Amino acid sequence: AQSVSQHNHHVILSEAASLELGCNYSYGGTVNLFWYVQYPGQHLQLLLKYFSGDPLVKGIKGFEAEFIKSKFSFNLRKPSVQWSDTAEYFCAARGGGGNKLTFGTGTQLKVEL
Amino acid sequence: ETGVTQSPTHLIKTRGQQVTLRCSSQSGHNTVSWYQQALGQGPQFIFQYYREEENGRGNFPPRFSGLQFPNYSSELNVNALELDDSALYLCASSLSGGAPTDTQYFGPGTRLTVL
Repeated sequence: AQSVSQHNHHVILSEAASLELGCNYSYGGTVNLFWYVQYPGQHLQLLLKYFSGDPLVKGIKGFEAEFIKSKFSFNLRKPSVQWSDTAEYFCAARGGGGNKLTFGTGTQLKVEL
Repeated sequence: ETGVTQSPTHLIKTRGQQVTLRCSSQSGHNTVSWYQQALGQGPQFIFQYYREEENGRGNFPPRFSGLQFPNYSSELNVNALELDDSALYLCASSLSGGAPTDTQYFGPGTRLTVL
C-alpha cells in the first residue's frame, strides 16, 4: 500500500538553528511529492513540490527539499529557522497521474527564541 | 490565502444525524478533493470531483457522498454520523484533477464534532 512516513513527530529548535525534517514514501513508479505547512490557526499551505527534473527543490520562505529516489526520501531543510516557522509540517505523495494525496502524520516544529 | 472557502467553520451534531459541508473552489479550478483530518493525524483522502463527476475515492464507506456543481463548488454529505466522524474536513481545489502536475490548494476546513 502507498504510504508516507514522517519519523519526527515533535521537533524543538532554537532560532537560527538548521532544520531537517524526514519524509519517506513507499510508491512504485513515478511519484509527485509535496510539503505543506499549517501555521497555528491557519489552513494548509503549499511550501514546495516536486514533479520531475532537478531533485533539489526550492520553496517559499527559504525552505528546500531534496528528492533522493534511491532512498525513497524527500526531506525538508532550512538553513536557519525563525520563530515564525513554528507550525506543523506535512509531507505528501501522489502516484504520477493519480489524484489522491497521501499524507504523513505531520511534524510539529516549535522554534524557541 | 488560496481562495478556497468552506462553510460552516464549526459544526456540532449528534450520532445518527446527517451533515452537509460546503466548499467553493479557487477561481479557474475545476477539481475539488475532500480530506478528513482526525486529531494528531495527517489528512486522509475521501474523494475527488472533476467536472461534476467522482474521480477517485479513498477508503471511506458509502455514507460519505459528494456532489460538484456546474460552478465547481462542492458538497460533502455524511449520513448516519458516528463519533469517529469527529474531525477537521478539508476541501482542496485544483486546476485539473489527475493531471501529472496537478497541485491542490486547501481551504480552512470545517471542524465537525459528533456527540
